[in-house]
Amino acid sequence: GQQVMQIPQYQHVQEGEDFTTYCNSSTTLSNIQWYKQRPGGHPVFLIQLVKSGEVKKQKRLTFQFGEAKKNSSLHITATQTTDVGTYFCAGMDGNNRLAFGKGNQVVVIP
Amino acid sequence: SQTIHQWPATLVQPVGSPLSLECTVEGTSNPNLYWYRQAAGRGLQLLFYSVGIGQISSEVPQNLSASRPQDRQFILSSKKLLLSDSGFYLCAWSSTQNTEAFFGQGTRLTVV
Repeated sequence: GQQVMQIPQYQHVQEGEDFTTYCNSSTTLSNIQWYKQRPGGHPVFLIQLVKSGEVKKQKRLTFQFGEAKKNSSLHITATQTTDVGTYFCAGMDGNNRLAFGKGNQVVVIP
Repeated sequence: SQTIHQWPATLVQPVGSPLSLECTVEGTSNPNLYWYRQAAGRGLQLLFYSVGIGQISSEVPQNLSASRPQDRQFILSSKKLLLSDSGFYLCAWSSTQNTEAFFGQGTRLTVV
């Protein structure tokens, strides 16, 4: 079945710096979604990308969907302490099966 | 507006005991429903998903089962819990139009 892989799994980021997290799928995806889970909480939807090569921005967050619709990235600039948490990508296949990557756990160093 | 309810929030169960976790969705019809498990500090493992009443797809063979007796009700069960069943169980729903998933608050299960 469809596998979604994320790298890195862990990141320590200095406050004010930028970082990127990556997502790769073994198969072509109909869409890619990104979620954020705060410590002790549940995943919360951030954004969905549908089109090949699509780029979307949310303030300091930039999301990109690859041309082949098999990879994606999330880039955060000027990291803040509120960015702490685990960032998940998730891919949905044609059968409405939503599979998540293992997540990128981000720790922000003040 | 749509809401998802999942209970209980925490549960401590002895090894060998049964399990029943319930999830209900309000404000939508014919949702896709999902059960995920998250081990401490780990990713989200898809356990079951359902695209309609009585339609259950199992991702990982294990001693858990799922049922969807009503359109907006999704139940996760076990006849005999194992220590390895401990974890954070999350129910989620999405619309059939291929949109984002909304998660319940989760159930933190500890098997002792």
